[in-house]
Amino acid sequence: DVKVTQSSRYLVKRTGEKVFLECVQDMDHENMFWYRQDPGLGLRLIYFSYDVKMKEKGDIPEGYSVSREKKERFSLILESASTNQTSMYLCASSFNRGSNTQYFGPGTRLTVL
Amino acid sequence: AQKITQTQPGMFVQEKEAVTLDCTYDTSDPSYGLFWYKQPSSGEMIFLIYQGSYDQQNATEGRYSLNFQKARKSANLVISASQLGDSAMYFCAMRGYANSKLTFGKGITLSVRP
Repeated sequence: DVKVTQSSRYLVKRTGEKVFLECVQDMDHENMFWYRQDPGLGLRLIYFSYDVKMKEKGDIPEGYSVSREKKERFSLILESASTNQTSMYLCASSFNRGSNTQYFGPGTRLTVL
Repeated sequence: AQKITQTQPGMFVQEKEAVTLDCTYDTSDPSYGLFWYKQPSSGEMIFLIYQGSYDQQNATEGRYSLNFQKARKSANLVISASQLGDSAMYFCAMRGYANSKLTFGKGITLSVRP
């Protein structure tokens, strides 16, 4: 069965802290994605990766970076968390570039105080 | 650039009735894909249905069907025989030509009344 897991369901951090959000998929998928979801704005793509050590900016990459050292793991990094990064973060993966379906993790609700 | 528009406010439907959730899109890509996802209150995004822009027939998956009108650039989701478990937020999304990026709409909240 398809499985995407995220390291935390809820996370509370302070302004200025470095924050790591981890995502792991066990389906040998090539593509992985990070989105943030805010009320009234839907899902917005932050970064994505088509392969190990590859990354591409999405629509809202400012204030974020990513790391993909292994195929199954895609990390989202907030170098210096700010209150406007309080949001729900969703990770997804898909088989390859032509794949029709993205599979999502359960999400991490991050609060930055 | 791609754009998805979902403008309906919260939708209500009586259990066992059918409901249509609206989605319009805009793209300059010659080939594209359209998706619907369901997000219950628990938060996970669940893939429901996919329609390719060159598919001759409208997609169907169980109680879900996609009313695809290419000339109008609309991809409405029809849920037949609504169930209480259908209460959730529904997102329309599209993927452009030769890439895996999805562009999402803002979502529609559906509430099913017993």
